Amino acid sequence: DQQVKQNSPSLSVQEGRISILNCDYTNSMFDYFLWYKKYPAEGPTFLISISSIKDKNEDGRFTVFLNKSAKHLSLHIVPSQPGDSAVYFCAASVDFGNEKLTFGTGTRLTIIP
Amino acid sequence: GAVVSQHPSRVICKSGTSVKIECRSLDFQATTMFWYRQFPKQSLMLMATSNEGSKATYEQGVEKDKFLINHASLTLSTLTVTSAHPEDSSFYICSATQGEGYTFGSGTRLTVV
Repeated sequence: DQQVKQNSPSLSVQEGRISILNCDYTNSMFDYFLWYKKYPAEGPTFLISISSIKDKNEDGRFTVFLNKSAKHLSLHIVPSQPGDSAVYFCAASVDFGNEKLTFGTGTRLTIIP
Repeated sequence: GAVVSQHPSRVICKSGTSVKIECRSLDFQATTMFWYRQFPKQSLMLMATSNEGSKATYEQGVEKDKFLINHASLTLSTLTVTSAHPEDSSFYICSATQGEGYTFGSGTRLTVV
């Protein structure tokens, strides 16, 4: 039972354009969502998070949007840079910092120079 | 910021032997540590959650006698893969929290030959 899904396994975006990565979840108990960037054979690197009381959080080039009614969140990266090429995972928790993270299936983002 | 050190980064072992992976929180006391496993091109799957001084809680389908987790102190958790088999070859990642966020180790690539 995949509670967190990323339906696009891969995405290619031109450098300078906006990258939009999507994530859907089924567990209505999730109240905290995070995005991670990951390279092969390395641990995930935290990018940005959002709690369920918000619908948007912004940090530099990264913005996360949360639509609770649709159980959907998205990560926007603008402008996209070649160094953004990696696999991106969304993750969710029912209790931030105290409970386990449930990860999505990942989206491989490729930025085309 | 919070740092989690994971060792070794990669290990090759013979089938039937045991391998120990260490996860240390370097500058904070981790109330909870999580162990994840990632197979190629797949998501990070939680194996178990461990709290200092108590028995680990394993996810369904994870053999507790095969994957021994010890969380002897607030800064150290170990995962021992006992009687390793080629199908245990994977990327193992630990994560630690003190209740305010999740910090990941750099991962361990285990290859069983």
